[in-house]
Amino acid sequence: DAGVTQSPTHLIKTRGQQVTLRCSPKSGHDTVSWYQQALGQGPQFIFQYYEEEERQRGNFPDRFSGHQFPNYSSELNVNALLLGDSALYLCASRVQGGDEKLFFGSGTQLSVL
Amino acid sequence: GESVGLHLPTLSVQEGDNSIINCAYSNSASDYFIWYKQESGKGPQFIIDIRSNMDKRQGQRVTVLLNKTVKHLSLQIAATQPGDSAVYFCAENINWAYSGAGSYQLTFGKGTKLSVIP
Repeated sequence: DAGVTQSPTHLIKTRGQQVTLRCSPKSGHDTVSWYQQALGQGPQFIFQYYEEEERQRGNFPDRFSGHQFPNYSSELNVNALLLGDSALYLCASRVQGGDEKLFFGSGTQLSVL
Repeated sequence: GESVGLHLPTLSVQEGDNSIINCAYSNSASDYFIWYKQESGKGPQFIIDIRSNMDKRQGQRVTVLLNKTVKHLSLQIAATQPGDSAVYFCAENINWAYSGAGSYQLTFGKGTKLSVIP
């Protein structure tokens, strides 16, 4: 049973560029959330997708956008990258209306130079 | 400020001893709490959870205690092992009624680094 998988594992970009991160949820899960984790901090909620729609959003600018596909996989897009966007981006999944446990992937380490 | 925080940023314990990691939360509307373990280079790993209608929940070698009166959460690890060395996060969820899709937005604290001395 595959867990939450994310790609790529590491990414280096320069300021102003755009980036797309990908996530496949755990088998049987239909809801995907994205979190940003700065070095030495706890993860911060970006947004949650269910039924291909953004259902909740944290305190992140519109430069952060996402998408969920019919197979429940998801993408996180960040435009006009800033140095401060350097962080570990975590994808997490769960079953809507089911157990509240949230399962995380290993993340994508994004470095913005 | 953050809704969830930890009293101790670092904790060193001798192998075989019990560990207690504490967490304070400030939002009385939170009704679900989770403890995660994060090892270097990995994503957070679920340890144990508890709903607000419970005071205590036990797992394998771990126990979570919830004191709603003082808004305090703790994680107890029995017979701590070197493999328990990691950063531990508590997180809370506020169960807002939302659009029929359910609300789920975990708020994490900064974490406590647990180091086990062999």
